Order: sequence, then C-alpha cells, then structure tokens
Amino acid sequence: DAGVIQSPRHEVTEMGQEVTLRCKPISGHNSLFWYRQTMMRGLELLIYFNNNVPIDDSGMPEDRFSAKMPNASFSTLKIQPSEPRDSAVYFCASSLVGKPDEQYFGPGTRLTVT
Amino acid sequence: KQEVTQIPAALSVPEGENLVLNCSFTDSAIYNLQWFRQDPGKGLTSLLLIQSSQREQTSGRLNASLDKSSGRSTLYIAASQPGDSATYLCAVVPGAQKLVFGQGTRLTINP
Repeated sequence: DAGVIQSPRHEVTEMGQEVTLRCKPISGHNSLFWYRQTMMRGLELLIYFNNNVPIDDSGMPEDRFSAKMPNASFSTLKIQPSEPRDSAVYFCASSLVGKPDEQYFGPGTRLTVT
Repeated sequence: KQEVTQIPAALSVPEGENLVLNCSFTDSAIYNLQWFRQDPGKGLTSLLLIQSSQREQTSGRLNASLDKSSGRSTLYIAASQPGDSATYLCAVVPGAQKLVFGQGTRLTINP
C-alpha cells in the first residue's frame, strides 16, 4: 500500500488567496483525520470523519476553514481566505473506525502564507 | 480538557547514552497512550502503544512506561544512536477517537 497520500507537499500563497489541501487515505480505512502542526501549538486535531461523515470539527479554528470528504478515497481541507497565521504543516491521517491508536499519517503539506 | 506536556523540549546527548523522555497528562481517564517519532519533513510513525491497563511496553531498545494515577509516561531509549535523532511525541486517547498530542521533545544524538 502507498500509505496516506497528501498533495501538494509544499504550498506558498499570498494572503487572501484560497488554498486547498488534498488527502487520499489508505485503502480500506474508514476514518480520516486532519491535523495542523505549528511550533507554538504543536499538533492539533482539526476535524475527523467516519465513513465520510464529519464527526467532530471542534478543532477547526474558524469559518475560513472547511473540510469535505466526498468519497472514501478523497478528502480536502480548504482555507478561504488564507492568512499568514495559517502557515503550518497540515497532516492527514487514516485508520479504521474505533482504532484511533492505529492512525497512519501522511507526509504533510507545508503551507506558507505570505 | 486533556492537556499533554513533554519535558524537555529539546535534548542533546552523546552517542551510547541511555536517556529518558517525559510525558505528563492532566486527566487520568485515558484509553491508551502512544509514543510517536517524527523525522524532519516526514509524517509520524508510531513507536509504542500502552493500553490503559498496562504498565509498560518494550520494542527493541525502547521501553515506555505508564502511570495513569500520576498522569505520567516515560520513554526510555537504551544505547542511543545517531539514527535515533528525531522529534518524539507523546499522545493520549482520552475517549472517542481523538489523539491529544504533546509538543514533542527534539532529540539529537551526537556521534
């Protein structure tokens, strides 16, 4: 298996632009997690899905952030409009439902907003 | 709200030393605790998982202990090697499906 795939690996954009991050979970996994990692706050859970349904989005920082999972093999995290404080590494992880301790992480997308 | 703290934030030791990384959490009601390794520019790799009913887990040169009542865990690395250089993260599962992470300890092993 190729593991969790994220794209792009690096994204540089200007403040105010829309940013879309993409994730392909491991085939057969039915839970998907989006995390954000910064020096100040460490690794934080933003949102997670079970069977394509958002279960907990309490970590989403504000309305500028939205996440979708249109099918079992694809998810997006969108920031619109982006701000410099959104600069971070965004990780996607997947697992089987009920197995949070068996999450497999993608390599991350490093986002820089100038 | 569950909070996880890791001390120290950074550690640099010469090769061959045994070392201990510390993790503390505020709420002892956890399902399990995990230690992860993160290499620069990479995702996280799970190292050890300790169920709430267990006291420790071992994998090769790594040993993780858990004391739920005091809200503490330690990761012991024996005979450290330069390849052990990475950031080590501790995470607890307080319930539901969430992982709550500490800030990590950045470890450097000097040859």
